Amino acid sequence: DIVMTQSPDSLAVSLGERATINCKSSQSVLYSSDNKNYLAWYQHKPGQPPRLLIYWASTRESGVPDRFSGSGSGADFTLTINSLQAEDVAVYYCQQYYRTPKTFGQGTKVEI
Amino acid sequence: QVQLVASGGGVVRPGGSLRLSCAASGFTFNAYVMHWVRQAPGKGPEWVAVIWSDGTNQHYADSVRGRFAISRDNSKSTLYLQMNNLKAEDTALYYCASDIKGYFESWGQGTLVTVSS
Repeated sequence: DIVMTQSPDSLAVSLGERATINCKSSQSVLYSSDNKNYLAWYQHKPGQPPRLLIYWASTRESGVPDRFSGSGSGADFTLTINSLQAEDVAVYYCQQYYRTPKTFGQGTKVEI
Repeated sequence: QVQLVASGGGVVRPGGSLRLSCAASGFTFNAYVMHWVRQAPGKGPEWVAVIWSDGTNQHYADSVRGRFAISRDNSKSTLYLQMNNLKAEDTALYYCASDIKGYFESWGQGTLVTVSS
């Protein structure tokens, strides 16, 4: 199985500041035949299902504010939240969909 | 809009069985691969099972293989998870999720399964 490791486990950010979350996979999730990184990011708030934010490592899902951005390739990825808003308080997960089982990171809790 | 409504969770004794359902609407259900994903208290999500859009293929996490069975009825736009020989470690919130390109595009609200004596 591909192991996904996120850092940090939690971080506190002031309103309007930037939050940066890292995600490492135990092997590359870059598929050579289409040059796409099979990496997604989800936001999870209490009492709600997870919400897809980013796929193909850097493509924002429809309706996701542009303060959310994803970057990276191969086995190292980053989710950046620019100008953090109160509604961004949540746990964020990276997930690889390169191979079954589709595995998640352990999560990063973002607080104000 | 897309809706996935999971049901069927509850409290069951170890060794017992449950059948979860996930009713889909607002999208072309029979075009989507569908998954069950669970989240135990205080843990991250764990993928459980997947079924192809036409139901011809299924795959399972090692932790549930041989005990759980995923199925679907495209005529009813409904996904199922039959869970047998339940263990305490199966206690979790179970989500259904849709997939057309590999990632989990939409998630249902989840149904809680508690395995306890």
